[in-house]
Amino acid sequence: NAGVTQTPKFQVLKTGQSMTLQCAQDMNHNSMYWYRQDPGMGLRLIYYSASEGTTDKGEVPNGYNVSRLNKREFSLRLESAAPSQTSVYFCASIGYSYNEQFFGPGTRLTVL
Amino acid sequence: AQSVTQPDIHITVSEGASLELRCNYSYGATPYLFWYVQSPGQGLQLLLKYFSGDTLVQGIKGFEAEFKRSQSSFNLRKPSVHWSDAAEYFCAVGDGGGNKLTFGTGTQLKVEL
Repeated sequence: NAGVTQTPKFQVLKTGQSMTLQCAQDMNHNSMYWYRQDPGMGLRLIYYSASEGTTDKGEVPNGYNVSRLNKREFSLRLESAAPSQTSVYFCASIGYSYNEQFFGPGTRLTVL
Repeated sequence: AQSVTQPDIHITVSEGASLELRCNYSYGATPYLFWYVQSPGQGLQLLLKYFSGDTLVQGIKGFEAEFKRSQSSFNLRKPSVHWSDAAEYFCAVGDGGGNKLTFGTGTQLKVEL
């Protein structure tokens, strides 16, 4: 089935630990995105990738890095997790001119 | 920079009543506009979108939205709300390059039976 997969679904980290959130899509879309969702703040763009091999900062990139491994995969890495990074993270894959949009189920991350 | 404002954080309506959720955007050119719905613990589902043409767009689940350029608004409406419509609703604006989607802070809809 077409869609966006994210792993893991839940994760608890201690302050200073690192981890990578994985995202993959099978719609052959060029554009992929990472958002974080916090209560009362909507979805805020962390990084996006308009095409394979390119990445750009969004609204809240500090503390994160990304890799567009290939057209299918777009990973988000936290090098040294902080409690302020406790959030729900969504990956999205969007087709040309927004004609198709798929959001992953989210990763709920808690940093203690 | 593009931005979206959803002025209502919470809205409560009675089942069967009409609904209007407000959205104002800021963008320098003709925007791409979207409404999404998110049920608790779920991802986002696209309700409808506006690119160009007819300013009244129809979406899924009986929702519609009207683009008003003079007011920089894209309000979501439904004539008769069902209890299952209780959820959080997000408005978003996309840039012309199709690369950047910016969301509002959301409106939480509660439906009273």
